[in-house]
Amino acid sequence: ETGVTQSPTHLIKTRGQQVTLRCSSQSGHNTVSWYQQALGQGPQFIFQYYREEENGRGNFPPRFSGLQFPNYSSELNVNALELDDSALYLCASSPGGLAEETQYFGPGTRLLVL
Amino acid sequence: AQSVSQHNHHVILSEAASLELGCNYSYGGTVNLFWYVQYPGQHLQLLLKYFSGDPLVKGIKGFEAEFIKSKFSFNLRKPSVQWSDTAEYFCAVNAFNYGGSQGNLIFGKGTKLSVKP
Repeated sequence: ETGVTQSPTHLIKTRGQQVTLRCSSQSGHNTVSWYQQALGQGPQFIFQYYREEENGRGNFPPRFSGLQFPNYSSELNVNALELDDSALYLCASSPGGLAEETQYFGPGTRLLVL
Repeated sequence: AQSVSQHNHHVILSEAASLELGCNYSYGGTVNLFWYVQYPGQHLQLLLKYFSGDPLVKGIKGFEAEFIKSKFSFNLRKPSVQWSDTAEYFCAVNAFNYGGSQGNLIFGKGTKLSVKP
């Protein structure tokens, strides 16, 4: 166990809908990163938050957005869902977001878009 | 663009066989390198990491990896695998300031390891 939890575990949505995924980081970890893992692929970096501010972003459109809260919880929001958004979404927390730190992953939320 | 290549999609070994999983990355600057493992039904967890010093890194459960800068490689090794090593293994690179932040990872596609008892 990594101390990182995510909810829900599974979710089914239809194209065009909006979804919110939740993550609870390890206590004391000020950084949360979100990743998308499509079937048969490695995780792909979406964005990172440090102390409630977006601190970096991968190659994802603006309809992917996030929030981080002072209580070590965070959200990933996806608007206007597309079929290709079907994937496992992982969050990972780390103390300060530094390059050499270990990131601790949650179990993921599996999203299916129909 | 930065990328990570894992050469083998699926590796099947018998117990006690030696393991080497290849990982190459494309990035010319300073990197930190990681191997993560995902056992069936479990979270991704860190196996080992390199960020400076001795290029031969030892991790948990008898795994080790060697960073060869000239070859842009970070191969994972284990002298004798066990059935419990059956898992998916991901190589990851943290390229400084990729995407505007330090602490994000670029993953390879993963290698599934199946160990036959």
